[in-house]
Amino acid sequence: SQTIHQWPATLVQPVGSPLSLECTVEGTSNPNLYWYRQAAGRGLQLLFYSVGIGQISSEVPQNLSASRPQDRQFILSSKKLLLSDSGFYLCAWSVGDKMNTEAFFGQGTRLTVV
Amino acid sequence: EDKVVQSPLSLVVHEGDTVTLNCSYEVTNFRSLLWYKQEKKAPTFLFMLTSSGIEKKSGRLSSILDKKELFSILNITATQTGDSAVYLCAARTSGTYKYIFGTGTRLKVLA
Repeated sequence: SQTIHQWPATLVQPVGSPLSLECTVEGTSNPNLYWYRQAAGRGLQLLFYSVGIGQISSEVPQNLSASRPQDRQFILSSKKLLLSDSGFYLCAWSVGDKMNTEAFFGQGTRLTVV
Repeated sequence: EDKVVQSPLSLVVHEGDTVTLNCSYEVTNFRSLLWYKQEKKAPTFLFMLTSSGIEKKSGRLSSILDKKELFSILNITATQTGDSAVYLCAARTSGTYKYIFGTGTRLKVLA
């Protein structure tokens, strides 16, 4: 069966420090991968998605970047965090070659920038 | 710009009440409409709707899609405290494989 791992669960970082959040999927190949951010009490904002290794689409211009160095690995990064980067970050995957399919979510990382 | 709007933003009901949550969408190349329940961390999948007028049902939850009017509703009958959560809807687009989420409806069910 497929599983998604996302870490760390919580993170407190000072303004101006770098960020690296990692997400890996097991039990499937060539998944579509997604990074979302959720502000308190709000919906999910799509940040990046990827349909293959090295293929990254950015949805919102901002202080973050994403990379997909391996088929089932998706990394969210920042060189210098801002206070506004605080939030709940969720990684998700869906079956790559199937249109009518749901997305499956990791447990999320709660990031607080201080 | 692709957009998904949910209403109401929040709702407080008593156990046993029936609630209707609304989701409207405007997306390019619409493919499907999905509903999720988020209690604390990871949203969990409830329904996926691709065809108009066909109700999906799971226990006390049901959902239907209207592709002409571009909306969906999620009904919960005989609500229980365990139904308290944020309910999210998302529109999936073909071609880009994106899931565009709405703002969510926060439901609180009082005992």
